Amino acid sequence: QVNLVESGGGVVQPGGSLRLSCAASGFTFTTYVIHWVRQTPGKGLEWVSFIRYDGTNKYYADSVKGRFTISRDSSKNTLYLQMSSLRVEDTAVYYCAKVMTTVTPVGFDLWGRGTLVTVSS
Amino acid sequence: IQLTQSPSSLSASVGDRVTITCRASQDISSYLAWYQQKPGKAPKLLIYAASTLQSGVPSRFSGSGSGTDFTLTISSLQPEDFATYYCQQLNSYPRLTFGGGTKVEIK
Repeated sequence: QVNLVESGGGVVQPGGSLRLSCAASGFTFTTYVIHWVRQTPGKGLEWVSFIRYDGTNKYYADSVKGRFTISRDSSKNTLYLQMSSLRVEDTAVYYCAKVMTTVTPVGFDLWGRGTLVTVSS
Repeated sequence: IQLTQSPSSLSASVGDRVTITCRASQDISSYLAWYQQKPGKAPKLLIYAASTLQSGVPSRFSGSGSGTDFTLTISSLQPEDFATYYCQQLNSYPRLTFGGGTKVEIK
């Protein structure tokens, strides 16, 4: 059964750090691409970050660039998001989501349940 | 690329035909997806490539449009369709954006 499971969320003070994990199962991790997406409480969805399947290129939303670092460990079928210099506005549910590709990427066909990050003093 | 959805919310009755629009700030061809999200759940992919129904999604859902203007239509609203709907553009992949969402509520 294909599945994505996020973990690592919690409560952290402004300026603090957290590392999120996204464990994949039921599909070939090295073949598919997984992104991080977040959703602020009561609001919409925001794309956060992406890493190529081979780890060679990393992309970030402007709102997190320089503070967040994405990585992946294929031996553990796990994607990570290291978050530092956290701000109150980073408070959100963080999802990992798998890309569905036909000829080109067409959407996210598999999502995890999300992990809540709360940045508060 | 910015996506503007309208309306931001709507009230409808079971059996109604519902249309949600998504407008892109520039031409995105057909690189658009639609998602449904229920409270406390992750989004679910409904339609991709503007008009292709994802496997397992009921045929009452349909999508249309290209360029900058897109629509999601629910031909006959069912009780399980009350949710929030989002569009997403993939033209600037891997940098993706979502619309602000449309909440469909029971009248």
